[in-house]
Amino acid sequence: GAGVSQSPRYKVAKRGQDVALRCDPISGHVSLFWYQQALGQGPEFLTYFQNEAQLDKSGLPSDRFFAERPEGSVSTLKIQRTQQEDSAVYLCASSLGSGGPYEQYFGPGTRLTVT
Amino acid sequence: AQSVAQPEDQVNVAEGNPLTVKCTYSVSGNPYLFWYVQYPNRGLQFLLKYITGDNLVKGSYGFEAEFNKSQTSFHLKKPSALVSDSALYFCAVRDVGTGTASKLTFGTGTRLQVTL
Repeated sequence: GAGVSQSPRYKVAKRGQDVALRCDPISGHVSLFWYQQALGQGPEFLTYFQNEAQLDKSGLPSDRFFAERPEGSVSTLKIQRTQQEDSAVYLCASSLGSGGPYEQYFGPGTRLTVT
Repeated sequence: AQSVAQPEDQVNVAEGNPLTVKCTYSVSGNPYLFWYVQYPNRGLQFLLKYITGDNLVKGSYGFEAEFNKSQTSFHLKKPSALVSDSALYFCAVRDVGTGTASKLTFGTGTRLQVTL
């Protein structure tokens, strides 16, 4: 079946612009996660949804970052007034359930470059 | 707080030889442990996980991992490496006791290079 998809795959933004990154999780997956992966590093947690509820946003680095999943399926990560330090790969993952040992399935990521 | 350490930035092995990629973890309770592989310009692919029970876990593509509670380790192994195994490998942990807080904490990754 179809995996997690993300769009766009690549995004170049001028400093100060707003960007929106989209994630389509695997159908039927309850949980959705966003991670940020800087060059040469492991993914770092940003935020987590269970259905449409955002249960954890402790990893969002500033109030310029905002995520939503209004209907419990597709999610959008929005970054306002982008800064150079926002340049990274943004990974979306989904899992079948929550609160248990469910593995997360990752999309290919969106590589954001802020110039 | 939960954390993962992957002490080797890179592991080099000849094709056909056994490989080990090291991982140690820290959680306040019991762990769920995962290994993922990342190929260039692609997302992370799930390899295997430890939940409970048998300390030797078998996963995809002939990989296995050994959980050692006393050493807080979860090393990835394969009896015979292939050139196609060359990739970036990430270990991840989640504390069982965190309920619905399901986030994973990843290590910094180990690059595996398999040569002929």
